[in-house]
Amino acid sequence: AQTVTQSQPEMSVQEAETVTLSCTYDTSENNYYLFWYKQPPSRQMILVIRQEAYKQQNATENRFSVNFQKAAKSFSLKISDSQLGDTAMYFCAFMKPGGGQNFVFGPGTRLSVLP
Amino acid sequence: NAGVTQTPKFRILKIGQSMTLQCTQDMNHNYMYWYRQDPGMGLKLIYYSVGAGITDKGEVPNGYNVSRSTTEDFPLRLELAAPSQTSVYFCASSSGRETEAFFGQGTRLTVV
Repeated sequence: AQTVTQSQPEMSVQEAETVTLSCTYDTSENNYYLFWYKQPPSRQMILVIRQEAYKQQNATENRFSVNFQKAAKSFSLKISDSQLGDTAMYFCAFMKPGGGQNFVFGPGTRLSVLP
Repeated sequence: NAGVTQTPKFRILKIGQSMTLQCTQDMNHNYMYWYRQDPGMGLKLIYYSVGAGITDKGEVPNGYNVSRSTTEDFPLRLELAAPSQTSVYFCASSSGRETEAFFGQGTRLTVV
């Protein structure tokens, strides 16, 4: 079974600074998908960024980018120019082709952006 | 476009009571999921469905039942509520096997 680990339960960053959230996963699969979801205090789960394992290029979405290291099974999220609205729980998730039960979430990192 | 809609948003149940959490999506997605999120934890899969008439157990199915009679609806049933089922419940859907899931706003359930 796949597992996802986020080793930082809580992090904080000053507004306008850069922060990196860590995620590692365990799988024997070669093809899979990785996601970062954001959960603000409103509780809504919001997709931040998505990465296909077969793509070597790291995904980027505006201020959000990932560092995908397939051999190390690492998938970190970098948030540049942090904003107060980035304060949220961030979940790393792994999906094996076929979806269903093969969609696994990490325990989350609580990020606080400080003014 | 409503996306994934869950009702109710909040509910308090007494031990032994039953209830159904409703979930509907208007995106014609085949895949639907039910997760629970305990305080300070990630999401754990309860049940999932890959299409109408097809459901399967996830990681933590005990105490729950589901049905999928239509593509749009995926209700979650709690038959005999227990305090261990106090949690936030999320319904989600996706269009295919390798696409991200879209989530409802969650139901906060407290069993007392």
